[in-house]
Amino acid sequence: KAGVTQTPRYLIKTRGQQVTLSCSPISGHRSVSWYQQTPGQGLQFLFEYFSETQRNKGNFPGRFSGRQFSNSRSEMNVSTLELGDSALYLCASSPGPRRETQYFGPGTRLLVL
Amino acid sequence: GQQVMQIPQYQHVQEGEDFTTYCNSSTTLSNIQWYKQRPGGHPVFLIQLVKSGEVKKQKRLTFQFGEAKKNSSLHITATQTTDVGTYFCAKGAGSYQLTFGKGTKLSVIP
Repeated sequence: KAGVTQTPRYLIKTRGQQVTLSCSPISGHRSVSWYQQTPGQGLQFLFEYFSETQRNKGNFPGRFSGRQFSNSRSEMNVSTLELGDSALYLCASSPGPRRETQYFGPGTRLLVL
Repeated sequence: GQQVMQIPQYQHVQEGEDFTTYCNSSTTLSNIQWYKQRPGGHPVFLIQLVKSGEVKKQKRLTFQFGEAKKNSSLHITATQTTDVGTYFCAKGAGSYQLTFGKGTKLSVIP
């Protein structure tokens, strides 16, 4: 099976812009989670979707949002970008409704100037 | 939020030496997962521990879950350069949110 794919892999934006990141989970996986990774804060949970429903959200401002489509693909959006949003954004999928093994994608590295 | 504390933050070892990282929680854990992230890579699942006092081995890696289910450890015997990376523990499997420790970055000096 193909692994989790994320696009784009690298992105440069300026403050105030918005960005949309995409994640395609492993075929058959219905749960998709998003994480932000920075050197200072480590891996922080953003949100998790299962069957197009957001089941949990981390402690991030409302500028961070996401959605999941009927084919389990997911997108996350960050509006009004700030310098501190520069990070590696990781998507992870797992097979079912319970959180088992998380299979991570390669991530999207976002740089905000 | 409820954190998992991971120590040490960094560890430098000579190739062939052993390495251990520890993960501690103030609350009882239902289970714990371990991940490895190579430099420039993404986290890769290593193992999940569920039972009190559980010990699991993967070649040179030994994973332990404490009797009180509040701590866990990962021990690598005779490190190799391929072991370089950051090792994370994560709690929350079975709920809808995984909380990761800050990780232990392992450097192996050839």
